[in-house]
Amino acid sequence: GAVVSQHPSWVICKSGTSVKIECRSLDFQATTMFWYRQFPKQSLMLMATSNEGSKATYEQGVEKDKFLINHASLTLSTLTVTSAHPEDSSFYICSARTHTGELFFGEGSRLTVL
Amino acid sequence: TQLLEQSPQFLSIQEGENLTVYCNSSSVFSSLQWYRQEPGEGPVLLVTVVTGGEVKKLKRLTFQFGDARKDSSLHITAAQPGDTGLYLCAGAQDNYGQNFVFGPGTRLSVLP
Repeated sequence: GAVVSQHPSWVICKSGTSVKIECRSLDFQATTMFWYRQFPKQSLMLMATSNEGSKATYEQGVEKDKFLINHASLTLSTLTVTSAHPEDSSFYICSARTHTGELFFGEGSRLTVL
Repeated sequence: TQLLEQSPQFLSIQEGENLTVYCNSSSVFSSLQWYRQEPGEGPVLLVTVVTGGEVKKLKRLTFQFGDARKDSSLHITAAQPGDTGLYLCAGAQDNYGQNFVFGPGTRLSVLP
């Protein structure tokens, strides 16, 4: 299957700082990528849909100024958590859609805000 | 918004037993995907089913897409501890795979 890579896998930061998470499709081009948040022992919660070359579409209740998404190329989307606070601590996962419509997920990034 | 339900939510079985996980909706999906997720990792795609009534086998896993493309099942034969994980189904709401709806997941624990 296709390969999607996230970086970093783990990040610990101080409250008030910003953190950037990268999502790369390594062996295919993805015009659409998705960002999710996952709480312990729960399913995925879609945060936003990232479209290459255009603004991201955010789900209801997700602050676009808090979670900045940039999809500048067909193989890279970034999620920046701005002015992070302890309640932003979570497992963030991205996925990329292939031209056949299948979703492949990154390994996830665990954010801990102190 | 189309909703996907999964049952059971939790399942704990002994190694060697068989089990079936269900994914149901009142809406039709153009395709449906099954994923397995282990703690601290991203979901891994197991299979995509597209045609109503389709059955796909992946070693000890058998996936079926309902005739009406509203539901799906995953059957595991002779479960092993390595099958432990969170099983997610995801339905594509359009033919372009632009919009996916995820089920809440079934957390499977296979005890040795």
